[in-house]
Amino acid sequence: GAVVSQHPSRVICKSGTSVKIECRSLDFQATTMFWYRQFPKQSLMLMATSNEGSKATYEQGVEKDKFLINHASLTLSTLTVTSAHPEDSSFYICSARPQREALYNEQFFGPGTRLTVL
Amino acid sequence: GEDVEQSLFLSVREGDSSVINCTYTDSSSTYLYWYKQEPGAGLQLLTYIFSNMDMKQDQRLTVLLNKKDKHLSLRIADTQTGDSAIYFCAESMGYNTDKLIFGTGTRLQVFP
Repeated sequence: GAVVSQHPSRVICKSGTSVKIECRSLDFQATTMFWYRQFPKQSLMLMATSNEGSKATYEQGVEKDKFLINHASLTLSTLTVTSAHPEDSSFYICSARPQREALYNEQFFGPGTRLTVL
Repeated sequence: GEDVEQSLFLSVREGDSSVINCTYTDSSSTYLYWYKQEPGAGLQLLTYIFSNMDMKQDQRLTVLLNKKDKHLSLRIADTQTGDSAIYFCAESMGYNTDKLIFGTGTRLQVFP
């Protein structure tokens, strides 16, 4: 149980186009989903936290108009990179927090999406 | 402030023990975690420890926490080639705070 999927796993796009990445919790409902960005050989940086049915909370320095997050249901959150540029190339990872009580900050991670902007 | 540091690289021989270290700066951490990331994949939670504990053991994994020195370690006994991956420590602050702060990651390489 507790599987999180991401689609696509890999995407290459031209500069100026928009790319949508989906994050799904397959066998549980997630009240909260998180989007992270990971640069090569570096740590994960939290970009934003999204709660179902409400606006996402963005971390300092993350442009909300650039990285659009929608969390329309308890099993799906999407990240849209608008007008992508080469500097947006990165590994994007989502995680989901189950709708249940947990003693710790329980998050299940997706396998990641490799975005390359040409 | 939030800052979690790890050494970048560790190389061990198969069958030996590995010890991965992590230092953090925020004393209000409530839980600390160890995650494993294999190439091109997401993160897998290995274990976690509550901040009022000193040690936690789970099969081959032993977590030690020195809260006074803000030092966390992960010991992997009988390290196998399948343990080769990047290991991240992470902390979260407060029961109602979802945010995870990740360390810089340690690449563990196991050679035969």
